[in-house]
This record gives sequence, C-alpha cells and structure tokens, in this order.
Amino acid sequence: DTAVSQTPKYLVTQMGNDKSIKCEQNLGHDTMYWYKQDSKKFLKIMFSYNNKELIINETVPNRFSPKSPDKAHLNLHINSLELGDSAVYFCASSHHGSSSYNEQFFGPGTRLTVL
Amino acid sequence: AQSVTQLDSHVSVSEGTPVLLRCNYSSSYSPSLFWYVQHPNKGLQLLLKYTSAATLVKGINGFEAEFKKSETSFHLTKPSAHMSDAAEYFCVVSPFKSGNQFYFGTGTSLTVIP
Repeated sequence: DTAVSQTPKYLVTQMGNDKSIKCEQNLGHDTMYWYKQDSKKFLKIMFSYNNKELIINETVPNRFSPKSPDKAHLNLHINSLELGDSAVYFCASSHHGSSSYNEQFFGPGTRLTVL
Repeated sequence: AQSVTQLDSHVSVSEGTPVLLRCNYSSSYSPSLFWYVQHPNKGLQLLLKYTSAATLVKGINGFEAEFKKSETSFHLTKPSAHMSDAAEYFCVVSPFKSGNQFYFGTGTSLTVIP
C-alpha cells in the first residue's frame, strides 16, 4: 500500500550513460514532482506535472527529460550522465484541488551515483 | 516573491530538553506552511501543516508550530527531545492558490545528545 514509490532505490552508473528513474503514486493525485537533493541536503525542484502536463520546468540541463504516461506516473530520464548528477532524486505528488492547503507526499528517493 | 528562511543550519540539544527550529517566510499571498522531517537515508515525512484554521498547529511525535503573521514566522517546537528526533527538518511555504508551487527552506539538522 505504498503511496509514492520509486525505482530503483540505488543506481550506480558510469559517466556518459543514459538512465531512467520511475515514480508511481496510488493516491489519486493529479500533480507530481521531481526534486534533486544534493550532498548538503538542499532540495531543488526540477519538474512538476499536472494531469500529464508540464507546469514547472526549472533551470535544469536538457539532458533531463520527464515523461508522464498517465496521472499516476512520472518518470525521469537522464542522458549523458555527468559526475555532478550524483544526488538523491525524490518524486512527490499532491492534489491540486480547490483548497491550496494540500501537502506533498514524497517517495523514498533514488540515490544516483555517477562514476 | 516567495521565500523561506531557516535561520539555523544546525541545532544541537540534549535529550529531554526543548527543541526550537526557526522558520521565517515571505509570501505575496496568504500561505500554507508545512514542516517535513527527513531521517537519514529516508524520504520526507509531513510533520504538520498550517491551514488557517488555527495558528497553533499540532503534528506528529509531539511537535507543534505556531503561525505568527505579524512576525512572518512558523517556528517548530517540541517540549522534550528524544533521540529519535535526530533528523533533517524542512520548512515549506506554498502561497495560496499558487498552482501547487512549494518553496523549501535549506533545512535544519537536529542533533540530540544523550
């Protein structure tokens, strides 16, 4: 009965490779997010999708491409991985309803290590 | 403009003593405010949220926070720290009707000394 799940939990890869991280939520939420957390624990929003449409696209390299096949899934594909991409990536979801007091629910994170 | 400032990057307390984690925000509109906790190698868990119903908000694990509009603050407190409270804490603001925009503070690392 996991609310927001991510796979894989750990990802170790070589520079230059292409990799994907998957995220699924079973909360019936209509908005999903990707965050990057660096070694200093700072959380940076990368993307946000509402009903499969991109609504937030912060300044991230275009090597990062989100894909939302349906409201319950938001995957993150990364091309040509670089050392600086090493971080923990969190997926989150929320409900964008008439009330704006809707919190985000976070996945457990994917620790990406680029060698 | 919206922003969140967590005034302390690190806080250290002795077990059994009070905890105070400070958060100030700026928001163009009436905000919703949240505190999240992140234990080592875990995801973020909601501690509590301010929904304008009451200025003093009670959360899980004995934490509470008070919304003070005049001071634009939303400080997190707990009367007595427990070893299991050692974690990273994030203050988050979401302006009212912002289209689900969430602004995170830089986090406060809480250490609890036995």
